[in-house]
Amino acid sequence: QKEVEQNSGPLSVPEGAIASLNCTYSDRGSQSFFWYRQYSGKSPELIMFIYSNGDKEDGRFTAQLNKASQYVSLLIRDSQPSDSATYLCAVRKNAGNMLTFGGGTRLMVKP
Amino acid sequence: DTEVTQTPKHLVMGMTNKKSLKCEQHMGHRAMYWYKQKAKKPPELMFVYSYEKLSINESVPSRFSPECPNSSLLNLHLHALQPEDSALYLCASSQEGRVGRREQYFGPGTRLTVT
Repeated sequence: QKEVEQNSGPLSVPEGAIASLNCTYSDRGSQSFFWYRQYSGKSPELIMFIYSNGDKEDGRFTAQLNKASQYVSLLIRDSQPSDSATYLCAVRKNAGNMLTFGGGTRLMVKP
Repeated sequence: DTEVTQTPKHLVMGMTNKKSLKCEQHMGHRAMYWYKQKAKKPPELMFVYSYEKLSINESVPSRFSPECPNSSLLNLHLHALQPEDSALYLCASSQEGRVGRREQYFGPGTRLTVT
């Protein structure tokens, strides 16, 4: 079992729909959770982070964390073609500096 | 401002060359990172510097040599690389010392090709 798992996709959604990206992790001691967006040929861009159970909203993005079930998700409302990218889930297990990345989910938003 | 800069953007080098990658941040972050990313794979951690000291080396071959001259700068010295080392090299930085406030911000990367 991988430490951080994501469906590789592609996840295809129509423009204006809600895109739901999911990530599961294996270590119950994980403390911090991050979502990065990466366009093809570019570097990862931090778009959301969440540390506590529940929802965190920022514009069209909502991160959801459920530590009991060991999953974290990213919702993108009113999806736009410009949201088409690979979304990387990253988890920090403890007080250290290491992030463990999932394999990424490729999102395609079709006009 | 969450800017991390990296130079050069692209680098082509032969297997006998010596070159360096540079990274700079002015966010006051005291942790800096080097990652390697191959196509369609997530970033793979190479080194972590914390307060200018090397704290993590993920068993990286000695042909990669990191250096942290001061709290804003991070270098990666390259020597005798192999073609399989061709990848996107990413620098990142984060705060230190406050659990839960260590978001890592990536630079634009250096696309390295070893011929």
